[in-house]
Amino acid sequence: QVQLQQWGAGLLKPSETLSLTCAVDGGSFSGYYWGWIRQSPGKGLEWIGDIHHSGSTHYNPSLKSRVNISLDTSKNQFSLKLDSMTAADTAMYYCVRVFDSWGQGTLVTVSS
Amino acid sequence: QTVVTQEPSLTVSPGGTVTLTCASSTGAVTSDYYPNWFQQKPGQAPRPLIYDTNNKHSWTPARFSGSLLGDKAALTLSGVRPEDEAEYYCLLHFSGAGWVFGGGTKLTVL
Repeated sequence: QVQLQQWGAGLLKPSETLSLTCAVDGGSFSGYYWGWIRQSPGKGLEWIGDIHHSGSTHYNPSLKSRVNISLDTSKNQFSLKLDSMTAADTAMYYCVRVFDSWGQGTLVTVSS
Repeated sequence: QTVVTQEPSLTVSPGGTVTLTCASSTGAVTSDYYPNWFQQKPGQAPRPLIYDTNNKHSWTPARFSGSLLGDKAALTLSGVRPEDEAEYYCLLHFSGAGWVFGGGTKLTVL
């Protein structure tokens, strides 16, 4: 059973860049899409984007200009960067193996 | 803007049957939208239940089933248990827009 362990800074100031990493343990990296989803406090879920093990990426059009998802196959890890963070980006961020396995979530707060 | 619509809330009695639906602003939902369903309880990450319309994960209880119902995707719970009280989200794939979640259905078991 694959397990996802994620980490990254939980408190950011406006205009800073969010950086999260997710490690994949117990399963193959190949042949799957790996992605990120977020959930604002008390709100619904939003797909941020995903990356195939081959490196091809897909992003939410509403975030595309600010987001980058990358992978490090040598470490079985993938990462999320989201630029120009604002209070509206405050949310729980989840890494996923699309969509059958989820990380534990990282609460990211943007505040001055 | 692509919008996926679910019932905001539903109530069902223990042992009863309830169907949650998932509609697209672009028209009829088909298997080409690869409908997924998730269950989320307070303080927990979403738990995948159904993928590709009607496929269950190994951990999905038999009382949950996915289908297409008219022009919507549907999740049916049969023999509802108190522990099924949760928020349920559907997810559809759109060419161009990518994956879009519905707003969620709060299911109350009463």
